[in-house]
Amino acid sequence: GAGVSQSPSNKVTEKGKDVELRCDPISGHTALYWYRQRLGQGLEFLIYFQGNSAPDKSGLPSDRFSAERTGESVSTLTIQRTQQEDSAVYLCASSAMDDFGSTDTQYFGPGTRLTVL
Amino acid sequence: AQSVAQPEDQVNVAEGNPLTVKCTYSVSGNPYLFWYVQYPNRGLQFLLKYITGDNLVKGSYGFEAEFNKSQTSFHLKKPSALVSDSALYFCAVRDERDSNYQLIWGAGTKLIIKP
Repeated sequence: GAGVSQSPSNKVTEKGKDVELRCDPISGHTALYWYRQRLGQGLEFLIYFQGNSAPDKSGLPSDRFSAERTGESVSTLTIQRTQQEDSAVYLCASSAMDDFGSTDTQYFGPGTRLTVL
Repeated sequence: AQSVAQPEDQVNVAEGNPLTVKCTYSVSGNPYLFWYVQYPNRGLQFLLKYITGDNLVKGSYGFEAEFNKSQTSFHLKKPSALVSDSALYFCAVRDERDSNYQLIWGAGTKLIIKP
């Protein structure tokens, strides 16, 4: 079946502009995660959505970052007034609930490579 | 505090030789352990996981990992490396008792397979 998809695959923007990144999770997956991966680095957690619960925004690096998700479908990550330090690959992942009521394996999209000039 | 360590930034192996990518962890309870692979300019792909049961877990592309509770390790292995295995490998852990959904991620190990 279809995996996690993200768009755009690449985004080049000028410093100070706003950008919007999109994630389509696997159908039926209630959990959705956003991560940031700087060049040559590991994964940095940004935000987590689970069903209709309030999202965990504890990883968002500043108030310029925000994300929304409608129900259990598409999510958008918005970065306002982009800075050069925002340049990174933004990864989205989704997961289902396992038999123990916990989130199961995370499945990742291909990422959006953001370059801020 | 929960943590994951991948002690090697890079591992170099000749094609056809066995490979090992190391991972150690620290959690309060029983661990859920995961390995992911990231090919250049791609997202992360799930390889395998340990939840419970047999300590030896088999996954995609011929990879396997052995859970060792006494050594708190979950090393990734493959009997015979391929050049196409060259990629970045991430280990991740979650505490079984932790209702927190978040995985704790290692920093990644770059695996280079030389022909």
